[in-house]
Amino acid sequence: NAGVTQTPKFQVLKTGQSMTLQCAQDMNHNSMYWYRQDPGMGLRLIYYSASEGTTDKGEVPNGYNVSRLNKREFSLRLESAAPSQTSVYFCASSEDRVYTEAFFGQGTRLTVV
Amino acid sequence: AQTVTQSQPEMSVQEAETVTLSCTYDTSENNYYLFWYKQPPSRQMILVIRQEAYKQQNATENRFSVNFQKAAKSFSLKISDSQLGDTAMYFCALYLRSGGGADGLTFGKGTHLIIQP
Repeated sequence: NAGVTQTPKFQVLKTGQSMTLQCAQDMNHNSMYWYRQDPGMGLRLIYYSASEGTTDKGEVPNGYNVSRLNKREFSLRLESAAPSQTSVYFCASSEDRVYTEAFFGQGTRLTVV
Repeated sequence: AQTVTQSQPEMSVQEAETVTLSCTYDTSENNYYLFWYKQPPSRQMILVIRQEAYKQQNATENRFSVNFQKAAKSFSLKISDSQLGDTAMYFCALYLRSGGGADGLTFGKGTHLIIQP
C-alpha cells in the first residue's frame, strides 16, 4: 500500500523561483491537507481540501496556492519562493465522515537560498 | 481557536524505564479527538495512539497508554519499558469534529524523547 506519496523528497530553490509539490493518496479519502514543519513550531496547517474542487486556507496560507486536481491529488505551489518558506512540508489525508486518523506522506525538505 | 501545549521540549531516560510526556490543550468544543504522533529521524509521522473525547476509558496500545483528564484538558502519554527505537519527536495533536476537518490537526510543538542505552 502506497498510502500518501509526496514528490519530491528534497528540493533547493533560489529566491524568486517557483515550484509545485505534488501529493497523491490511494485511500479514497475525501480530505487532504498541507502542513509545514519548522524547528520548535510543530506542524502548522497551510491549506485544506474537503473534496475535489474545494480548498480552504489554514493557519499559514500566505505565499502558497493549492489545487485539488481530483480526489487523489492535492498540489501545493510556491509562486515566488522566499527564504522564510524554507521548511519541511507534509501532505496528509483523512476520511472525515468517520474520522480515525490523518495519514501523512514522508515530507519534502525545501530549502530556499 | 484551539491550542495544544507540550511543556517538555526534551526528555531523556534510560532504556527499560517508564516515561510520561505531558500535553495540555484548550478548546471550547466537546466533540474532538486527541492523538500522539511519533516522528523518528526518518521524518515519517506515525500514529502512536488516539483518544475520542466522549470515551472516558483511557486508550492503550501495547506499551503506550494515555492519561486523559477531560476536565483538566490534559492528555499525557506514558511509555512503559522504553526501547531505543522509541527515540523520536512526539507530537500531541487535537482534531475538532465540529470543524469538519477545516482546521485539520492542531499540533503541539513536540517533545524530543531520547532513550539512552
